[in-house]
Amino acid sequence: AQSVTQPDIHITVSEGASLELRCNYSYGATPYLFWYVQSPGQGLQLLLKYFSGDTLVQGIKGFEAEFKRSQSSFNLRKPSVHWSDAAEYFCAVGVRTAGNKLTFGGGTRVLVKP
Amino acid sequence: ETGVTQSPTHLIKTRGQQVTLRCSSQSGHNTVSWYQQALGQGPQFIFQYYREEENGRGNFPPRFSGLQFPNYSSELNVNALELDDSALYLCASSFQRGVQETQYFGPGTRLLVL
Repeated sequence: AQSVTQPDIHITVSEGASLELRCNYSYGATPYLFWYVQSPGQGLQLLLKYFSGDTLVQGIKGFEAEFKRSQSSFNLRKPSVHWSDAAEYFCAVGVRTAGNKLTFGGGTRVLVKP
Repeated sequence: ETGVTQSPTHLIKTRGQQVTLRCSSQSGHNTVSWYQQALGQGPQFIFQYYREEENGRGNFPPRFSGLQFPNYSSELNVNALELDDSALYLCASSFQRGVQETQYFGPGTRLLVL
């Protein structure tokens, strides 16, 4: 069965600093990978997704992610964090044989210091 | 704003009761998925409906059931509520049922079982 691990439960960054969130997945085939963001009291918003092709994926709000098959990783990055980026971030893997069921990691909460 | 709405926003029930949660899909979407998000965890897939038929189910007992209506709105029903059912329930709609389809999440219904 597929699984997703986000090793960092909390990350604190200063505004303007760079951010990297780690995501490792376990899945037997080529995965469909997603990053979502959840602000307090809100649903999840898709930041970016990877299915195939270029392993560096650009998303909304200045985020990008890199798929590394050899490391089973799909880390999310942003060069310069804004205070509005404070939120919880979820990595997810999609399973083709089960419709578009998503399996989520436990999430990483990002705090932004002024 | 994704165009996916859920009602009610909050709900308090007692153990053993039954609850119905509702979701209105984004216009043009024929697929709805439901997720349970316990406090401090990532969302867990409950089930998915595609054109009024169940199209996949996660590891949830039969007391979790659903419906999708001809207008593609959806209901999640939970019978014999248990304390562990306390969570944020998210629905997500997509244009089709494939894993590559972007899922658009509603803001969720927060259920508290006492």
